Amino acid sequence: RKEVEQDPGPFNVPEGATVAFNCTYSNSASQSFFWYRQDCRKEPKLLMSVYSSGNEDGRFTAQLNRASQYISLLIRDSKLSDSATYLCVVNIGYSGGYQKVTFGIGTKLQVIP
Amino acid sequence: EAGVTQFPSHSVIEKGQTVTLRCDPISGHDNLYWYRRVMGKEIKFLLHFVKESKQDESGMPNNRFLAERTGGTYSTLKVQPAELEDSGVYFCASAPTTEETQYFGPGTRLLVL
Repeated sequence: RKEVEQDPGPFNVPEGATVAFNCTYSNSASQSFFWYRQDCRKEPKLLMSVYSSGNEDGRFTAQLNRASQYISLLIRDSKLSDSATYLCVVNIGYSGGYQKVTFGIGTKLQVIP
Repeated sequence: EAGVTQFPSHSVIEKGQTVTLRCDPISGHDNLYWYRRVMGKEIKFLLHFVKESKQDESGMPNNRFLAERTGGTYSTLKVQPAELEDSGVYFCASAPTTEETQYFGPGTRLLVL
C-alpha cells in the first residue's frame, strides 16, 4: 500500500464548478500536511498547509481528518487558471524530531471553459 | 530573493555515461533535498543534507548515485554509469529548517537513451 494515496484523475470540471480532492495516508506518525500545486513541466509550489481545524485561503479550503487519516482540498468557483496537478504531501515524523516528506502521485484538474 | 536553481534544465545522455546535476539552494537554507519523479509515478525522496552532512540518504536507488554538498552551499548529484531507468525529472528543494516549507527548483529533466 502506498504511504500517500490520491486519485490521479483527471478531473474535468466546468468553470465556476466546485471540485474536491481527497488524499489518504497510511502512517499514523504523520505530523504535517500540505497541498502543493504543480503546473505542467514546472516545479511543485506550496498551495497551502493543512491544519486539524481546517483552513481556508480564498476559494481554497483544506481539511484534515486524523482519525480517518485523510486530507481534502475543496476548490470553489473554479477558474481556468486552476488547471494543474494537485499534490498531497505528508511529513512523517521519526525519532529525534526528524521529518520526512512523502508525496502522493497528484490529482490532475482540468477546468473547461 | 533568488529561488532554488538547478542546472542543467535538460540532459540527454547514453546508457553508461556519467551525468552530474547541480542544485543551488536559496541562500541561508541549511536543508537541501533531492527528489526524483519517474514518468507516471509519484515524486520520490532521494536524500537530505543539513549543511554539508547527509541527514538521510535512504531514498538513493543504488551506489551509482552520489550526492555531495561540499561547504554546505550548492549540491551535486552524479549518476555513474547511467541506466535507462534513471530517466526522470530530478528536483532539488531547500528549506531553512526541516519544519518549514520546502522550496523547489525547476528540476532537471534527464533522459537516458
